[in-house]
Amino acid sequence: SQQGEEDPQALSIQEGENATMNCSYKTSINNLQWYRQNSGRGLVHLILIRSNEREKHSGRLRVTLDTSKKSSSLLITASRAADTASYFCATDLLPQGGSEKLVFGKGTKLTVNP
Amino acid sequence: EAQVTQNPRYLITVTGKKLTVTCSQNMNHEYMSWYRQDPGLGLRQIYYSMNVEVTDKGDVPEGYKVSRKEKRNFPLILESPSPNQTSLYFCASSFGQVFGGANVLTFGAGSRLTVL
Repeated sequence: SQQGEEDPQALSIQEGENATMNCSYKTSINNLQWYRQNSGRGLVHLILIRSNEREKHSGRLRVTLDTSKKSSSLLITASRAADTASYFCATDLLPQGGSEKLVFGKGTKLTVNP
Repeated sequence: EAQVTQNPRYLITVTGKKLTVTCSQNMNHEYMSWYRQDPGLGLRQIYYSMNVEVTDKGDVPEGYKVSRKEKRNFPLILESPSPNQTSLYFCASSFGQVFGGANVLTFGAGSRLTVL
């Protein structure tokens, strides 16, 4: 079942511009994470925001979480060509019978043009 | 270096020929998981394991088997591969949701499998 859905599916910007990606989810969560994937390679964890947090920063990354709207956004400021990658949100569902489950969205493909 | 190692990285095989994709982590992680990634479908979980001898199905377990005999290894077995199992496979591990913590995954580099 698809929990998180990123929007837009693809985003193309110029170097130096800001990039904003959104993630919507369906059910209550413990926390939400963002991962990055360079073409065909493994995903790399970027940032985590817990359900009781509203905003978090890490370098040029800013993540917000609105649990009432079941949505999150990832902002990359002053983008660089090296930021070109796919970005995925992942929701860590509240435990159901003790099982652990991290569900990924389909990703936003970001292209930063030099 | 802390890492998740998958092998092989690339494999072309034929329908019905059993194969195993190995996964090993050196971080003493309890939790390990296999995902497959297909265009337009994102990452889908195949199987996961919360600890040694504890495995459970993910969203797309059909046609796959796993085992967790040791903490560091979590091989993915395709008993009789079919063309619809052509995909990019990722193994990932973490400490799991320990003491209310988050399940932050470390991924392997991926294994691209083609079944003819």
